[in-house]
Amino acid sequence: DIQMTQSPSSLSASAGDRVTITCRASQTIYSNLNWYQQKPGKAPKLLISGASSLQSGVPSGFSGSGSGTHFTLTISSLQPEDFATYFCQQTYTIPWTFGQGTKVEIK
Amino acid sequence: QVQLLQSGAEVKKPGSSVKVSCKASGGTFSGYGISWVRQAPGQGLEWMGRIILLLGVANYAQKFQGRVRITADKSTGTAYMELNSLRSEDTAVYFCARVDTKNDFYYMDVWGKGTTVTVSS
Repeated sequence: DIQMTQSPSSLSASAGDRVTITCRASQTIYSNLNWYQQKPGKAPKLLISGASSLQSGVPSGFSGSGSGTHFTLTISSLQPEDFATYFCQQTYTIPWTFGQGTKVEIK
Repeated sequence: QVQLLQSGAEVKKPGSSVKVSCKASGGTFSGYGISWVRQAPGQGLEWMGRIILLLGVANYAQKFQGRVRITADKSTGTAYMELNSLRSEDTAVYFCARVDTKNDFYYMDVWGKGTTVTVSS
């Protein structure tokens, strides 16, 4: 199975801050990488597919980049509604696997 | 926008089975497939498997092989996930999600609200 490792596991930031979350794959997944946002008690929400393609309706402050084994999710200016947990997921090979999550908390 | 409506919470005894349903609003599936993902209390997301709607073929994570079965009834637009030989570690929220594809990339873009399954004696 492909292992997905996110860093950091958690971070504290203030509204307006630029935030970057990293996701590394244990082997190449090319660009088969998705990012999800999850708020407490809610289902995950797809933000980015194919490593960098922003989903319709997702604010432009979110962006994704990377290919191969190293990927990043960037929030250019953290908004109050962005405090949540973020997960990466590879869909290159079965079983599809998730990173362990990065919790973004209010400083 | 399609919605996925999941069945209600379940409480099960160890060793028993649970079957969770996921119905597409309007009764019609769209997209490539349906995946099932679970989340134990306070934990991350765990992919269990998927079914490809056109083929009716399911793939499972090795961890659940032999214990899980994912099916889909295209006539009613309902997918099912059945998990057998339940143990306490299976206590989790179970999500279904639509799998779609664009430019050969797969992603889960529509999610059900989740079904809580509690396994307790």
